[in-house]
Amino acid sequence: QKEVEQNSGPLSVPEGAIASLNCTYSDRGSQSFFWYRQYSGKSPELIMSIYSNGDKEDGRFTAQLNKASQYVSLLIRDSQPSDSATYLCADPANNAGNMLTFGGGTRLMVKP
Amino acid sequence: ETGVTQSPTHLIKTRGQQVTLRCSSQSGHNTVSWYQQALGQGPQFIFQYYREEENGRGNFPPRFSGLQFPNYSSELNVNALELDDSALYLCASKFDSGGANYGYTFGSGTRLTVV
Repeated sequence: QKEVEQNSGPLSVPEGAIASLNCTYSDRGSQSFFWYRQYSGKSPELIMSIYSNGDKEDGRFTAQLNKASQYVSLLIRDSQPSDSATYLCADPANNAGNMLTFGGGTRLMVKP
Repeated sequence: ETGVTQSPTHLIKTRGQQVTLRCSSQSGHNTVSWYQQALGQGPQFIFQYYREEENGRGNFPPRFSGLQFPNYSSELNVNALELDDSALYLCASKFDSGGANYGYTFGSGTRLTVV
């Protein structure tokens, strides 16, 4: 059974700083991961997906996957107060990205 | 605004009762999953439907059941409600072509409280 672990936080960073969010996973066979952002009282929204070792950049967001060490990270550059939310890492059951196993989420607080 | 809508937004039921939660997916989304999210935790996968057939299930008892309809709507049924069933229930849909790997679009959820 897949397991995904995240530090619950809160992770507090000043506005303009880089926020680094980490996730470890148990299944060595996992090929891809998703990062979702969830504002308080709202539903998760997809930020990024990553399918291969290395880095993937999208605007201020960079996802990193290290299969040898079984961790995934999300970097948020130039953090803004609007980035304050809970960030969820998810490991899908198959290559189609279905049936996600989520971590518990890390709460990020960006202080002005 | 999300293309996945859920109803009702909030619901209070008594222990032992049955409940049906509904979801309307985006047109063309042939895959729908349901997740349970307890307060302060990540969502937990309940089950998934693909083209009206259940094709995956998480660690939930049989009293959690579902249906997917041809019009891209779906429902989650929970029988014999327990206090621990109190949670946010999320519907998530996507188009699954069997090849490309797309992320889900989540609905805004139904907050169920069992008393």
